[in-house]
Amino acid sequence: EADIYQTPRYLVIGTGKKITLECSQTMGHDKMYWYQQDPGMELHLIHYSYGVNSTEKGDLSSESTVSRIRTEHFPLTLESARPSHTSQYLCASSEGHGVGTEAFFGQGTRLTVV
Amino acid sequence: AQKVTQAQTEISVVEKEDVTLDCVYETRDTTYYLFWYKQPPSGELVFLIRRNSFDEQNEISGRYSWNFQKSTSSFNFTITASQVVDSAVYFCALTSGNTPLVFGKGTRLSVIA
Repeated sequence: EADIYQTPRYLVIGTGKKITLECSQTMGHDKMYWYQQDPGMELHLIHYSYGVNSTEKGDLSSESTVSRIRTEHFPLTLESARPSHTSQYLCASSEGHGVGTEAFFGQGTRLTVV
Repeated sequence: AQKVTQAQTEISVVEKEDVTLDCVYETRDTTYYLFWYKQPPSGELVFLIRRNSFDEQNEISGRYSWNFQKSTSSFNFTITASQVVDSAVYFCALTSGNTPLVFGKGTRLSVIA
């Protein structure tokens, strides 16, 4: 069973605030990902990492940043939240050794910026 | 570039009906992997199946079955005798191996009692 956790589950925050969305996994997976899901359901890759000290930007331009200092932890930070950042954010991880292995997802953080 | 198309945005069926969710993919790679995920109202994506490009054998798991056809670049998903608990958003996804998953836009399935 997948063990990947996101906190908080829900967050309402004012414009201009700095926020960090937490994501941790206990499976020892090298690969981790952040997806943004818009209200129309579509999933957009915003960041990914293939190991410690490795981060890449995804397909969707994002004003967020990520870090990967420990294998198990992949936090996402918004320096100055805006209403356009209102969305669901999904974190995922997958094995580093295998090829084409499935990704396991956390329950998501639903962010509302007012 | 890789692309996944789920042409059906929303489907509504009555309980016990069979339903097929379509997935068409595009890739230039000869080795690739296809997936289906389910997203219930609680929000997390639940892995359902993985298929690699060299294995065209169809698969059945309980009421779920998958039809992979390389000739038409399709990987369709059928739910037999649908139940209310099957109501969710279903995503088809693709990777060539070491690239992140590329998802289709999802199909929202509503099963009415």
